[in-house]
Amino acid sequence: DQQVKQNSPSLSVQEGRISILNCDYTNSMFDYFLWYKKYPAEGPTFLISISSIKDKNEDGRFTVFLNKSAKHLSLHIVPSQPGDSAVYFCAASGVNVNAGKSTFGDGTTLTVKP
Amino acid sequence: EAQVTQNPRYLITVTGKKLTVTCSQNMNHEYMSWYRQDPGLGLRQIYYSMNVEVTDKGDVPEGYKVSRKEKRNFPLILESPSPNQTSLYFCASSFRFGSEQYFGPGTRLTVT
Repeated sequence: DQQVKQNSPSLSVQEGRISILNCDYTNSMFDYFLWYKKYPAEGPTFLISISSIKDKNEDGRFTVFLNKSAKHLSLHIVPSQPGDSAVYFCAASGVNVNAGKSTFGDGTTLTVKP
Repeated sequence: EAQVTQNPRYLITVTGKKLTVTCSQNMNHEYMSWYRQDPGLGLRQIYYSMNVEVTDKGDVPEGYKVSRKEKRNFPLILESPSPNQTSLYFCASSFRFGSEQYFGPGTRLTVT
């Protein structure tokens, strides 16, 4: 039972355009949602997060949207840059959902073409 | 520099030979966790620790052990490694459960 799903294994966009990465989850009790970026041969690095009491969080070129009724979150990158090419993971956790467990999606590989 | 360190970075071993992968963080974080990454399967949590002497199973704990005797260290122990434990392993820590995790550089383990 995969509680966090990233249904698009890969995404390719042109430099300067918007990248939209999607993530669906099944457990409505999740409290925290985070996005991480991973380059080859490195550990994941934190990008942006959102708590369940919000529906939007912005940080520079990155915005995360949370739609609780649809159990869906998305990461928008505007404008996309070649350096954004990486694997992006969404993750979810909840105080009342096996507190301590962090569940990750399978990742989406983003390629930004110059 | 705030960081999570893992050792070794690469390890090739044989079935049944006990091994330990060390993990250390210098940020005084309460929460620490181990993940494995396999092709197409994302990051799967092996074990986590909410604080010293408090550990619990993640989604794929079989064949692994951990300990948290002090706040900064969280070693991963494979008592009798098997080929299906060949994987890329990441240690991570965070200030508290739910906040952003800082990941180590990874340990690539091959069990033959």
